[in-house]
Amino acid sequence: EPEVTQTPSHQVTQMGQEVILRCVPISNHLYFYWYRQILGQKVEFLVSFYNNEISEKSEIFDDQFSVERPDGSNFTLKIRSTKLEDSAMYFCASRWNSGNTIYFGEGSWLTVV
Amino acid sequence: GIQVEQSPPDLILQEGANSTLRCNFSDSVNNLQWFHQNPWGQLINLFYIPSGTKQNGRLSATTVATERYSLLYISSSQTTDSGVYFCAVVHPSYNFNKFYFGSGTKLNVKP
Repeated sequence: EPEVTQTPSHQVTQMGQEVILRCVPISNHLYFYWYRQILGQKVEFLVSFYNNEISEKSEIFDDQFSVERPDGSNFTLKIRSTKLEDSAMYFCASRWNSGNTIYFGEGSWLTVV
Repeated sequence: GIQVEQSPPDLILQEGANSTLRCNFSDSVNNLQWFHQNPWGQLINLFYIPSGTKQNGRLSATTVATERYSLLYISSSQTTDSGVYFCAVVHPSYNFNKFYFGSGTKLNVKP
């Protein structure tokens, strides 16, 4: 089965540093997402991306966050200046079209110290 | 947003037992998926089931959209079934699959 792949699987960073999390969505998919899960809590929506632009974002997705699809295969989440409360598992997801199954990557665990 | 409630929050089973996990949601949905989060944190698709019944091996799921609930059945449980099971839904007003997740059911299957 096709997979969404994410790198790195785990990153430790100093507070205030910039972090880029990378994702390769499934190749023919058109919709891309980032979600996050703080340890022991629910999975929360961050942002959706379609047709090379953000289609929706949550209140969590403030000016410190940005997303980019720099080429035909990668989809990145950048956190400009990390805070302790950004420590979480970040999931990338993709789907082909409206109403289709959404597929999640294995997650990138970010620890901010 | 939609409220998604899952029950029970925790479940301990002996290997071989059957179980039913429930997901209630507060509004109409046009997408519902069940996921299994394994001990390594990976979210694995189990079912895309906005309505009706599906089966996949020892797992099956039923969604009654008009009554706003979905059930996940696990039969003959195995230790590898351990982990957290999440239900996630999308409201029809969101075209871009903004999922609302429940808090999950944490399942521990003992050998």
